[in-house]
Amino acid sequence: AQSVAQPEDQVNVAEGNPLTVKCTYSVSGNPYLFWYVQYPNRGLQFLLKYITGDNLVKGSYGFEAEFNKSQTSFHLKKPSALVSDSALYFCAVRLPYSGGYQKVTFGTGTKLQVIP
Amino acid sequence: EAGVAQSPRYKIIEKRQSVAFWCNPISGHATLYWYQQILGQGPKLLIQFQNNGVVDDSQLPKDRFSAERLKGVDSTLKIQPAKLEDSAVYLCASSDGTGPYNEQFFGPGTRLTVL
Repeated sequence: AQSVAQPEDQVNVAEGNPLTVKCTYSVSGNPYLFWYVQYPNRGLQFLLKYITGDNLVKGSYGFEAEFNKSQTSFHLKKPSALVSDSALYFCAVRLPYSGGYQKVTFGTGTKLQVIP
Repeated sequence: EAGVAQSPRYKIIEKRQSVAFWCNPISGHATLYWYQQILGQGPKLLIQFQNNGVVDDSQLPKDRFSAERLKGVDSTLKIQPAKLEDSAVYLCASSDGTGPYNEQFFGPGTRLTVL
């Protein structure tokens, strides 16, 4: 069974400082990994994904994430936080086809609060 | 490009009543998903359609929930009868293609309150 963990319910960071939102996963195989952001009263928006290749993935709004296979992590990062980055962030994992259907599993979410 | 549309945005009902939600995915997207998001939790997949066929409904409480996708485009999710624990946001999403590497595009969701 696959699972994904976001160990921090909330992350606070000062505007202009670098931010990191953590995600670790547990799967038997090479996963596809995703980050989504959810603004208040809105649906989730895709930020970035790791499929294969370069471990550093760049996405929307200046976000990037680093895939670390040995640590089974896919942390979301941004060099300089903006107040408008304040939102709920979800990590998700999915396995490639292996003779059967693989559903996507979402983490419980991390609330990012950027302080002016 | 128009996004995923959902209606209604909000719904309040009494327990044991019925309710239906509607979703119109992005044009041309073959795959459609319904999720249940309870406050403080991540989205939980209820059902996934590929065109108008069901790919996965293993987490759909089939004694009270049903869903259909009309002609492989629009979809409706119904709850009958509703329970208090069904209070949640119901999200519809679609993706271009059927591969597990495709990102999903989400609608704004329907917030259901069961009293």
